[in-house]
Amino acid sequence: ETGVTQSPTHLIKTRGQQVTLRCSSQSGHNTVSWYQQALGQGPQFIFQYYREEENGRGNFPPRFSGLQFPNYSSELNVNALELDDSALYLCASSTDRDRGSGGNTIYFGEGSWLTVV
Amino acid sequence: AQRVTQPEKLLSVFKGAPVELKCNYSYSGSPELFWYVQYSRQRLQLLLRHISRESIKGFTADLNKGETSFHLKKPFAQEEDSAMYYCALSGSLIQGAQKLVFGQGTRLTINP
Repeated sequence: ETGVTQSPTHLIKTRGQQVTLRCSSQSGHNTVSWYQQALGQGPQFIFQYYREEENGRGNFPPRFSGLQFPNYSSELNVNALELDDSALYLCASSTDRDRGSGGNTIYFGEGSWLTVV
Repeated sequence: AQRVTQPEKLLSVFKGAPVELKCNYSYSGSPELFWYVQYSRQRLQLLLRHISRESIKGFTADLNKGETSFHLKKPFAQEEDSAMYYCALSGSLIQGAQKLVFGQGTRLTINP
């Protein structure tokens, strides 16, 4: 077990709605990243949070936003859902050192499957 | 641009045969490369990283900067190696943050 849990595991939303996905990391893992994995593709980096502040962002629009809390939990929020947002959303956490570079291990959750209809 | 290419979406070999999963990358700096594996119904997990120069479950991968490749190899495939394999590089962001850039993945099937 990696200690990274995500909820919900599956959900269905309608186009235009908003969704919140949740992640609980291991104690001491103060860096969390979110990835989007479309069917048949590799994961794509959305953004990273470090000590409750956004620390870097991939090529995703502002309607993708996040929060990180002091208790090592975090959220991914997506507003104005589009059909192309249907994907597996992965949370990944790591410790402070190098914020997830090759110097330490990144642990992934099992993901949340989002279907937008 | 930071990019990882895995040219084979599917790879099928017989048990006991050698396996090579190809990975090529594009990165302007000094790359840090990884192989991640996802077994059926399990989460994505790290298999190995190039800086460790270790062998995990019989797999090895050598970074070839001249060919910008990081191919994953195993001399004798086992049925339990069947899984989805992703090559990834650690790319830099501002403020010292790091992100993983993944390839599309190769589904490896080991036939008995």
